[in-house]
Amino acid sequence: DGGITQSPKYLFRKEGQNVTLSCEQNLNHDAMYWYRQDPGQGLRLIYYSQIVNDFQKGDIAEGYSVSREKKESFPLTVTSAQKNPTAFYLCASSETGVGEKLFFGSGTQLSVL
Amino acid sequence: DAKTTQPPSMDCAEGRAANLPCNHSTISGNEYVYWYRQIHSQGPQYIIHGLKNNETNEMASLIITEDRKSSTLILPHATLRDTAVYYCIVRVAMNSGNTPLVFGKGTRLSVIA
Repeated sequence: DGGITQSPKYLFRKEGQNVTLSCEQNLNHDAMYWYRQDPGQGLRLIYYSQIVNDFQKGDIAEGYSVSREKKESFPLTVTSAQKNPTAFYLCASSETGVGEKLFFGSGTQLSVL
Repeated sequence: DAKTTQPPSMDCAEGRAANLPCNHSTISGNEYVYWYRQIHSQGPQYIIHGLKNNETNEMASLIITEDRKSSTLILPHATLRDTAVYYCIVRVAMNSGNTPLVFGKGTRLSVIA
């Protein structure tokens, strides 16, 4: 079945540690996105990519990094510079240009030990 | 993109129609109205979108006022599985180079048995 796969579902980070969240899609979508969601809040955009080997910062990119080496993969690294990383992270993709209908993964819950 | 205003929460009896309002008084002529919903601890799901005509699909109906300053999402026969946060978003569609969809806090719909 086509879709977006995020892994792991739950992730724990120690102080000063970098962690990487995986996002893979087999929908042949050009655009991919990372959002962060805090409890009771809406989604905030971290990074997005419209094409392979290119990506743009969203509203809250500080402390995060991404890569887009393959069309189907858009991993997110939460660096030690992100001082408040505990949140629900959502990856999405869309089939046309930026802003069209989004398809979301099931999310990764990141917590700090 | 135009800003939207939604009530923070609503209740609906099971089997009745759920009418979720959204105000977007500063919407531009080329901006679409999108609706997504997010069931607890899952990624948001696309529901419907429209420009100025009313739209209907297997999930819901979207009613847009003639002046386009507000809209209503209608779930005709709400079930317990429709309990979720519903997001109303307005933006230009099919326009690469613009920023992605911006999610506010939405409306938390509780369907009550």
